[in-house]
This record gives sequence, structure tokens and C-alpha cells, in this order.
Amino acid sequence: EAQVTQNPRYLITVTGKKLTVTCSQNMNHEYMSWYRQDPGLGLRQIYYSMNVEVTDKGDVPEGYKVSRKEKRNFPLILESPSPNQTSLYFCASSRDREGNQPQHFGDGTRLSIL
Amino acid sequence: QKEVEQNSGPLSVPEGAIASLNCTYSDRVSQSFFWYRQYSGKSPELIMSIYSNGDKEDGRFTAQLNKASQYVSLLIRDSQPSDSATYLCAVKRAGGSYIPTFGRGTSLIVHP
Repeated sequence: EAQVTQNPRYLITVTGKKLTVTCSQNMNHEYMSWYRQDPGLGLRQIYYSMNVEVTDKGDVPEGYKVSRKEKRNFPLILESPSPNQTSLYFCASSRDREGNQPQHFGDGTRLSIL
Repeated sequence: QKEVEQNSGPLSVPEGAIASLNCTYSDRVSQSFFWYRQYSGKSPELIMSIYSNGDKEDGRFTAQLNKASQYVSLLIRDSQPSDSATYLCAVKRAGGSYIPTFGRGTSLIVHP
């Protein structure tokens, strides 16, 4: 089954404790991205990647890091999480490396930073 | 500043009616347009994509694109209670930018 898998689905943690949210896709997609979704603000892109070792900032990259060492994986790293990063996070992938094709979304990670 | 505007709603329609959802965008160089459906607490899922002016139909859904007027709409015929969700419009400009812009979504309620 074609899918984007995120882990964990839920996480409650404390300010400053480094965390990683994993994302993996099995569709051999070139383009992968991370979004956060906040009430009233909609979906905003954090980072995207067009291929292995190619990543770039989205609209709200501050406080986040990513890496793309393998085509299927695109982890999101919060090195020093803060309460304003409490949000619902989605990983997505797209067949087209420039993001012109529809995106397939993971089930989401609900992150709470205390 | 790229902007994609949607009426937040809620848009309430009776079962069996046509629901009309609208989206306007500011970037004239936009070339790819998507409608996603998102149930509460779930991830967005693609309903329709459209790339050229005119209508595109898929089952009960019709996407309409008018690049001159910079709007894209989604019509849902024979609306069902299961269509109740938030509908997200997303727009991607032509080359040079790889970041799609999402609207904040329109909440649709289909009541029996």
C-alpha cells in the first residue's frame, strides 16, 4: 500500500529536549515536505526536499532542521523545542520533484511542548 | 506575498444539494491547483487537481479554473453528510518556487 508514515503520532515533551519526528514514504517520490497546521493559520510549509541531499526552507523554517540522506526518509528535528512549536505536523511527498503534482500526506504528529 | 483566500465558512447545505467552494489566489504565475479534503483530526487527502482553464469533472466533484480572474472553485453535486469536512485549496506557481501555498480552508456541513 502506497503510504507516508510518520512517527510518533502523539508526543508530549518539555522545552529544550531535542526530538525527532520520522517520516518515510514507499512511493519512490522525489519531493518531500513538512508542514505545520495551526488553528486559523492553515497549513504552512516548514522545509522541503527535491531529492537526496537537497533541502530548502519553506515559509516557517525557524527552529527546525531536516535531512534527506535517503530518498524514502525525511526526518524533522527540533533541537531545542519551545511551546510555540506546539502544533499538528504533517509530512508529505509528491511524485514530481518540483512539487507540481499532488501531495500525499502522512497521518500527522500532534506535538505538545510544555 | 503569495496569498490564497478561502471563505472559512461554515458553508451549510442540505443533503442532495450542490455545494460550491471558492478560492482566489494572488500569484498570476500560478500553474497547479489542488483541492484537498480534511476531516477533523485527519490528514488532507486529494480530491481534485487542475492545471488548465475550464472544468474538470470526477464523479460528483467538478473543479473550475479561471486564470484570468484568478479563482478556482470546487462543486460537489448531490452532497452527502460524509462530505462534511474542511476543504483546502492549494496553489503552486510555475518554476522558480517549489512551495505550494494553502488556503486556510472552508468548512462544509451537509445536513440530512
